[in-house]
Amino acid sequence: DQQVKQNSPSLSVQEGRISILNCDYTNSMFDYFLWYKKYPAEGPTFLISISSIKDKNEDGRFTVFLNKSAKHLSLHIVPSQPGDSAVYFCAASAKVGNQFYFGTGTSLTVIP
Amino acid sequence: ETGVTQSPTHLIKTRGQQVTLRCSSQSGHNTVSWYQQALGQGPQFIFQYYREEENGRGNFPPRFSGLQFPNYSSELNVNALELDDSALYLCASSLTATSGANVLTFGAGSRLTVL
Repeated sequence: DQQVKQNSPSLSVQEGRISILNCDYTNSMFDYFLWYKKYPAEGPTFLISISSIKDKNEDGRFTVFLNKSAKHLSLHIVPSQPGDSAVYFCAASAKVGNQFYFGTGTSLTVIP
Repeated sequence: ETGVTQSPTHLIKTRGQQVTLRCSSQSGHNTVSWYQQALGQGPQFIFQYYREEENGRGNFPPRFSGLQFPNYSSELNVNALELDDSALYLCASSLTATSGANVLTFGAGSRLTVL
């Protein structure tokens, strides 16, 4: 049972434009969310997080939006750069839990 | 500050064999979690170790076992290997055992192929 879903396996965006990566979850106990980026032959690298008490968190070019009623979050990258080309995973957890549930990832390609 | 290191990076085993994967956590981190990432899937939680004891386990059979040492490094052992165990095994360390407001720092993984 996949509790975190990323329904778009891949996304292509022109350099300089906005990239929007989406993530849906089913478990209403989830209250903490993270985005990771993964390059080939490397481990996932933490990008940005958001707690359920917020609906937006920004860090430079990266912004995560959380819609709790829709159980949906999205990662916006503006402007997109070729170095952003990687696989992006969203992950969710419950505050009192000790494990993260990951989506299947979205492969982003930023075209120069 | 050293990150999370894993060894070996790649290995090939045959069905029925046993394997041990190793992980050194990031300095200052006392908790280690192991995840399995099958091809085309996201990482799946195997278990977590905190204070040298298992502190939570995902939906994996008992032939997956682990250890954490006093220096917070860890091992993942898999007995009676099956073809479906072929995957990337990721070790992640963190500052605390609870996931709320926590961030996992991952190693590059150990790629296991079972023939």
